[in-house]
Amino acid sequence: GAVVSQHPSWVICKSGTSVKIECRSLDFQATTMFWYRQFPKQSLMLMATSNEGSKATYEQGVEKDKFLINHASLTLSTLTVTSAHPEDSSFYICSAYGGTGAETQYFGPGTRLLVL
Amino acid sequence: QKEVEQDPGPLSVPEGAIVSLNCTYSNSAFQYFMWYRQYSRKGPELLMYTYSSGNKEDGRFTAQVDKSSKYISLFIRDSQPSDSATYLCAMSAQRGYQKVTFGTGTKLQVIP
Repeated sequence: GAVVSQHPSWVICKSGTSVKIECRSLDFQATTMFWYRQFPKQSLMLMATSNEGSKATYEQGVEKDKFLINHASLTLSTLTVTSAHPEDSSFYICSAYGGTGAETQYFGPGTRLLVL
Repeated sequence: QKEVEQDPGPLSVPEGAIVSLNCTYSNSAFQYFMWYRQYSRKGPELLMYTYSSGNKEDGRFTAQVDKSSKYISLFIRDSQPSDSATYLCAMSAQRGYQKVTFGTGTKLQVIP
């Protein structure tokens, strides 16, 4: 149980293009999903928290117009990196929380983004 | 001062050794404590989850929480090469829907 998937697992794109990353909870309904970013040899940095059907809450310093988050259903959240630049290259990881009774968040396998 | 401090390692041990991984924290509001294992280029995998102070054991893994000292530990008995990974401590003040603060991770290598 508590399986979270991400797609794609890796993506290479040209500077200036937009990239969409999907996060799905496969065997539970996720009332809340989280998006993290991880640089090499560093810990996870929370980017934003999204609740199904409402706007995402972004952490300080995260550009909401650049990192668009949509949590349209209880099993799917998407992160769109708009007009990507090389400095956006990173490992993006989502996690999902199953609501009242669930112990903690469960993480997806991550998406590696390389912007050329 | 970071809210959560974790020795980045790397930590290299022979197979079969007992491994001790530790984190200290400064926020006394933290009540939920987690340990995650992360293999290279993969997402974190939840290993242990504890609430408040005390010990919790699961197979070869034991998690300890000492809230009075703001110190948590993960012990791995009979370490195996497959345990080689980065171990992240994490903690939060509320249950899982609230913000979780992570340590920087300790890279562990178990040598056959």
